[in-house]
Amino acid sequence: GNSVTQMEGPVTLSEEAFLTINCTYTATGYPSLFWYVQYPGEGLQLLLKATKADDKGSNKGFEATYRKETTSFHLEKGSVQVSDSAVFFCALSHSGGYQKVTFGIGTKLQVIP
Amino acid sequence: ETGVTQTPRHLVMGMTNKKSLKCEQHLGHNAMYWYKQSAKKPLELMFVYSLEERVENNSVPSRFSPECPNSSHLFLHLHTLQPEDSALYLCASSLGQGRSGYTFGSGTRLTVV
Repeated sequence: GNSVTQMEGPVTLSEEAFLTINCTYTATGYPSLFWYVQYPGEGLQLLLKATKADDKGSNKGFEATYRKETTSFHLEKGSVQVSDSAVFFCALSHSGGYQKVTFGIGTKLQVIP
Repeated sequence: ETGVTQTPRHLVMGMTNKKSLKCEQHLGHNAMYWYKQSAKKPLELMFVYSLEERVENNSVPSRFSPECPNSSHLFLHLHTLQPEDSALYLCASSLGQGRSGYTFGSGTRLTVV
């Protein structure tokens, strides 16, 4: 079956540090890949997506590249801010039905001044 | 404002109470979802509605009863809940099967006492 693996965290960084949150997946065929972000007290927001191999999704300084050869979709940001503190979810969506969206467990990011 | 509105934001109910959660979207999406988010667990898909018909029910206990009167509104009726049902309940919507991503509401924080 489909699965998404990401570290649970928390990941603690100082402001302006480089961020990497790893995400690997298992799926047959060609899923779409997503990163969602959840700020404290809120629901999930779509941060970025990629629909085919080698696509790069980007938004708000975050980016991730769909790597089919390593089945990965790692999230990166060059310089984090305190306001980036949130929980980040990697997800994949596969054709074949409405419940073919699989979420990772979420990685909590804490950015300290 | 994400485009998906959930009410109430917070709800405390006794185990013998009956209450309802409401979700509303005016994005023109044709599928709506209920998810349960508990601490230290992956997101759990509870129900999926497509064009107002229930498509998926992931073996959710009958004390949770969904209702989708039209494509813009989704309810989750609650009765005789257990303390372990305390969680954040998230509504989401999508166009089609969600290959372009979901739009989530801010959630209802439910506490069962």
